[in-house]
Amino acid sequence: AQSVAQPEDQVNVAEGNPLTVKCTYSVSGNPYLFWYVQYPNRGLQFLLKYITGDNLVKGSYGFEAEFNKSQTSFHLKKPSALVSDSALYFCAVRDEYSTSNTGKLIFGQGTTLQVKP
Amino acid sequence: EAQVTQNPRYLITVTGKKLTVTCSQNMNHEYMSWYRQDPGLGLRQIYYSMNVEVTDKGDVPEGYKVSRKEKRNFPLILESPSPNQTSLYFCASSFAGGNSPLHFGNGTRLTVT
Repeated sequence: AQSVAQPEDQVNVAEGNPLTVKCTYSVSGNPYLFWYVQYPNRGLQFLLKYITGDNLVKGSYGFEAEFNKSQTSFHLKKPSALVSDSALYFCAVRDEYSTSNTGKLIFGQGTTLQVKP
Repeated sequence: EAQVTQNPRYLITVTGKKLTVTCSQNMNHEYMSWYRQDPGLGLRQIYYSMNVEVTDKGDVPEGYKVSRKEKRNFPLILESPSPNQTSLYFCASSFAGGNSPLHFGNGTRLTVT
């Protein structure tokens, strides 16, 4: 069965420092991986995705994510955090072999990122 | 502007009073889905639709109905709401295919008293 784990409920980082939000996954076949961000009172916004190819994926707002197949991880990173990056972040996975519901994303529990000035 | 529009944003109702949350997308997406978001539980899929007149249950379908009579609309119906359906609801859509990201509406916060 597909699953996603975000081991940290909250990540605290000082503005200007690099940030990492962790995500590990489990799927039967090759994964399609996504990161979303949710600001208060808003829906989830797509940040980036990994399909195949380069292990470092670049996305919106300066975010990037590193895919590691051997560790089944897809950690979200940013070289220099901004206060405005403070939000709730979700990792999600879709199994390439999930033919019965090809749109279904399995979401992690979410990680709250707090960036302090 | 490409978007998924949900209405209403906030809804307070009483147990047993039927309600409908509307969802519309203007991106010609085949796939549409409803999720609910609860603290500590993340997002859970309620129902999904692969195309017009094709709907199926997600992980938590009990107490909900959907319909897909037109490609752009995917309303969520609660025939007899109960307090355990108090939640934040999201509609989402995408093109068919595993590598297409879901696009989300801004959510509907439902309170059932």
